[in-house]
Amino acid sequence: DQQVKQNSPSLSVQEGRISILNCDYTNSMFDYFLWYKKYPAEGPTFLISISSIKDKNEDGRFTVFLNKSAKHLSLHIVPSQPGDSAVYFCAAGGLTGGGNKLTFGTGTQLKVEL
Amino acid sequence: NAGVTQTPKFRILKIGQSMTLQCTQDMNHNYMYWYRQDPGMGLKLIYYSVGAGITDKGEVPNGYNVSRSTTEDFPLRLELAAPSQTSVYFCASSYARDRTGYFGPGTRLTVT
Repeated sequence: DQQVKQNSPSLSVQEGRISILNCDYTNSMFDYFLWYKKYPAEGPTFLISISSIKDKNEDGRFTVFLNKSAKHLSLHIVPSQPGDSAVYFCAAGGLTGGGNKLTFGTGTQLKVEL
Repeated sequence: NAGVTQTPKFRILKIGQSMTLQCTQDMNHNYMYWYRQDPGMGLKLIYYSVGAGITDKGEVPNGYNVSRSTTEDFPLRLELAAPSQTSVYFCASSYARDRTGYFGPGTRLTVT
C-alpha cells in the first residue's frame, strides 16, 4: 500500500525552463510534507517543506504547492539548472505515530539538459 | 559538525553471516532512523529511536535489530543475512521539534 506516490519515474527539462515534479498521497493524517534531493552515492538532502496549514512555500528557485483536497503536492524549480539533475523524493509525515517518521515516495529522476 | 556518519560504505556478506552497520550523529538530535532503499523504490523505515534507550519498529523491521545506548550512536544489526537484505541503508537523525531528517551517505550492502 503505497501511501506516497510519485507516478513519474523520470523527467527531462531544458536548462532555464521550469521543472514540475508531482506527488500524491492517500493518508489524510499526513500534515507535513518534504522534498529531498539525492545525488548518486550520497544520502538524501533536505530541499523544502510545507505544513498542511499552508498551500505554498517558496525558497529561492524552489516552490512547493499543496492541494489538500486533491491530496497532491508539487515541486516547481525555476529556472532549472544542470546541477538540479538528481533524484527527487517526496516525503510525508504526521499524526501516524511518534518519532517524526516519514513515508517516502519512489522518487523522480530529473535530468536538466543544456 | 560531521553531521550523520555511516560505516562501512560498502560490504559484501555471505548468506547467514552477521554484521553491524554503524551510525553516529554529532548534532545532539533526539530522533534517529534507519531506512533501506531498494532499486526503483523509495526509502522504507526499518527502525527508529526517539531517544537513548528507546527504540521502535518501522515498516520493515524483520531480520534487523537496533540499540540506542547513547544519543550519538544508533547501530543496526543484521543477524542472519539473506539475499533480500541486499539494499542501500541510510541512517538519519532529527530534532524532536523539527521534522526535517538529516541523512548519512549510506551503506551499500550485498548479500550473496
